[in-house]
Amino acid sequence: GAVVSQHPSRVICKSGTSVKIECRSLDFQATTMFWYRQFPKQSLMLMATSNEGSKATYEQGVEKDKFLINHASLTLSTLTVTSAHPEDSSFYICSARADSRGAFFGQGTRLTVV
Amino acid sequence: AQTVTQSQPEMSVQEAETVTLSCTYDTSESDYYLFWYKQPPSRQMILVIRQEAYKQQNATENRFSVNFQKAAKSFSLKISDSQLGDAAMYFCAYRLIYNFNKFYFGSGTKLNVKP
Repeated sequence: GAVVSQHPSRVICKSGTSVKIECRSLDFQATTMFWYRQFPKQSLMLMATSNEGSKATYEQGVEKDKFLINHASLTLSTLTVTSAHPEDSSFYICSARADSRGAFFGQGTRLTVV
Repeated sequence: AQTVTQSQPEMSVQEAETVTLSCTYDTSESDYYLFWYKQPPSRQMILVIRQEAYKQQNATENRFSVNFQKAAKSFSLKISDSQLGDAAMYFCAYRLIYNFNKFYFGSGTKLNVKP
């Protein structure tokens, strides 16, 4: 149990367009999901915490208007990178809280903005 | 502030041998979890082992074990009988027991396994 699926695993988009990344908890309900960004050869940096039915909490320095997070149901959170630019190219990872078992990670999304 | 430090950016081990990855952390809290995650080339984060700070006994999962020294704020991971599939980035992480909202990750250690 505790499977988190992230889609797409890889996406290439043109500069100025928006791209949506989905994070789904497949076999449990997740009231809280987390979005991370990982630069090459670096650690995971928390971007925001997403709570079902309420606004996401963003970490300092993360632009909420650029990285839109929607946690519309107990099994789905989405991250939309708006007006993407090449500097937004990165690896994005979500994780979902599975009650007392902790948080489980999706397989990540590699975003390339050209 | 909570910080997690991994001082070894990269390590190598011969297949079937034992390797220890180091991790130290800084916190003023007493109730927390410590984790080791593995990130293979697929980039999927995989939980390797978890330690509750209130437990004195070191956690063990098959070939993986930890040396948890709470007073020294040290949490090392020992991999015994290393296998080629163990090659990956390993991240040490910390979280408060009562606060799911933040994991603090170390910078990672890349483990190479030589055949």
